[in-house]
Amino acid sequence: AQTVTQSQPEMSVQEAETVTLSCTYDTSESDYYLFWYKQPPSRQMILVIRQEAYKQQNATENRFSVNFQKAAKSFSLKISDSQLGDAAMYFCAYRSLNQGGKLIFGQGTELSVKP
Amino acid sequence: EPEVTQTPSHQVTQMGQEVILRCVPISNHLYFYWYRQILGQKVEFLVSFYNNEISEKSEIFDDQFSVERPDGSNFTLKIRSTKLEDSAMYFCASSTQGYGYTFGSGTRLTVV
Repeated sequence: AQTVTQSQPEMSVQEAETVTLSCTYDTSESDYYLFWYKQPPSRQMILVIRQEAYKQQNATENRFSVNFQKAAKSFSLKISDSQLGDAAMYFCAYRSLNQGGKLIFGQGTELSVKP
Repeated sequence: EPEVTQTPSHQVTQMGQEVILRCVPISNHLYFYWYRQILGQKVEFLVSFYNNEISEKSEIFDDQFSVERPDGSNFTLKIRSTKLEDSAMYFCASSTQGYGYTFGSGTRLTVV
């Protein structure tokens, strides 16, 4: 069975600085999807960025980018130029390539942004 | 942008009562899901639904839970006899054949 681990329960960053959130996963599959979701205090799940495992190029969405290391089964999220609105819980998630595959979430990292 | 709509946003129920949580998935999506998040914990998969039947369910999804798509648009989660430990945020989600996955804003269930 696949597992996702986020080893940082809490992280803090100064406004305008860069922060990296860590995520590792375990799977025997060779192809899959990986995601980062943001959950603000409203508790809505907002997709931040996604990565297909067959793509070597790291995904980027504006200030958000990932460092995908397939061999190491590592999928970290880098937030550049951090803003107060980035403060939230961040979840890493894995999805099998199977049609309709469920998401498997990590435990989450609570990010605070200091002004 | 299409949304997944969940109602109600907050429900308070007495222990032992039945509750129905409602969701309207995105119209052209084929796969539907329910997830649960107990306060302060990670998001857990409950069940997936495809072609009018359950395609996968977790250990959490026991006989107290059921899902159905009664009218081709709504997707409901029923908890037959609620327990205190069912208090959680319940998220509905839908997806396409690819990896597009959209969550609703959740229903906060409080069992007293």
